[in-house]
Amino acid sequence: SQTIHQWPATLVQPVGSPLSLECTVEGTSNPNLYWYRQAAGRGLQLLFYSVGIGQISSEVPQNLSASRPQDRQFILSSKKLLLSDSGFYLCAWSQGATEAFFGQGTRLTVV
Amino acid sequence: DQQVKQNSPSLSVQEGRISILNCDYTNSMFDYFLWYKKYPAEGPTFLISISSIKDKNEDGRFTVFLNKSAKHLSLHIVPSQPGDSAVYFCAASGGGSGYALNFGKGTSLLVTP
Repeated sequence: SQTIHQWPATLVQPVGSPLSLECTVEGTSNPNLYWYRQAAGRGLQLLFYSVGIGQISSEVPQNLSASRPQDRQFILSSKKLLLSDSGFYLCAWSQGATEAFFGQGTRLTVV
Repeated sequence: DQQVKQNSPSLSVQEGRISILNCDYTNSMFDYFLWYKKYPAEGPTFLISISSIKDKNEDGRFTVFLNKSAKHLSLHIVPSQPGDSAVYFCAASGGGSGYALNFGKGTSLLVTP
């Protein structure tokens, strides 16, 4: 069966520090991968998606970047965090035009 | 620009009654619609979906209705149970973006005993 792992679960980082969130998927190959963010009181906003290794599309201009070094690994990064980067970050995968399956999320607080 | 809209931020329903959650969309390219359930500090879990070639899909207590001409879909939960209390997100995909889902802002459902 397919599983998705996302870590860490919670993270407190000072303004200006770097960020690296990792997500891995098991039990499937060549998945579509996504990073979403849920800011306080808001819905789920798509940040990045990837349809293959090294292929990254950005939906929203921001202080973040994403990379897909391996087929089932998706990384969200920042060189310098801003206070506005605080939120709940979710990784997800799908196979084509089907439902997406989400990880447990990372609560990021920038202080 | 919000392409998927859930205009009711919250809904309270008595146990055993019907819960109806509504969703509107603006992009006519959307061809696949989903509902997710989410608890605090957890990832959303898939509930039910419907493709644009159908107008109804049923799974146990959950039924999703799609009205393409009105660009509207709804989720019916019958009968509602206290365990259904959660935030429900409507989502839609189609027209590119790697099948990425466009989400509404969610409706918080409270089912009271």
